[in-house]
Amino acid sequence: AQSVAQPEDQVNVAEGNPLTVKCTYSVSGNPYLFWYVQYPNRGLQFLLKYITGDNLVKGSYGFEAEFNKSQTSFHLKKPSALVSDSALYFCAVSPRASKIIFGSGTRLSIQP
Amino acid sequence: GAVVSQHPSWVICKSGTSVKIECRSLDFQATTMFWYRQFPKQSLMLMATSNEGSKATYEQGVEKDKFLINHASLTLSTLTVTSAHPEDSSFYICSAGRTGRDQPQHFGDGTRLSIL
Repeated sequence: AQSVAQPEDQVNVAEGNPLTVKCTYSVSGNPYLFWYVQYPNRGLQFLLKYITGDNLVKGSYGFEAEFNKSQTSFHLKKPSALVSDSALYFCAVSPRASKIIFGSGTRLSIQP
Repeated sequence: GAVVSQHPSWVICKSGTSVKIECRSLDFQATTMFWYRQFPKQSLMLMATSNEGSKATYEQGVEKDKFLINHASLTLSTLTVTSAHPEDSSFYICSAGRTGRDQPQHFGDGTRLSIL
């Protein structure tokens, strides 16, 4: 079965420190992977995607994600966290056209 | 970038009322739109896939007669919660994307529905 797992409900990071939000996936075939961010009472915003090519993908707001096929992971990273990065982050996989599966979400809290 | 507009953003109404939520893709044509429901501190639950010009495809456990979806044009899909009750209170979000598995979804800002 196709699935996405975000093992951490919450991640706390001090401002200026690097952050990582974890995501692992289980899909058959080539995975199409996405990260989205949700601010309170808002819809989701697209951050970045991995389709093929370079394993390190750069996205919006200084975020990047590393695709690791052997570990079936797609962790979201940022070298230096900002308080404004505090939000709910969703990893997602598209197993086929017109279908997307979301992880359970990770709440990122950046402390000043 | 692609923009999806969702309206209204907040609805409070009495039990038994029917509520219509609109989702519009403003700068691209969307043959497929998605409707999600999100409970507090939880992930998005896909309710149905809205297909332009045909019937929506509902996920298992979602009542078709309760949540009516109409996708009358390439830029508009509507979700009507019929005879809403307090248990229908939730955050409803729509999304749309250009054709292709590699295309990201673009989300509306959601509708918070509160049934008294």
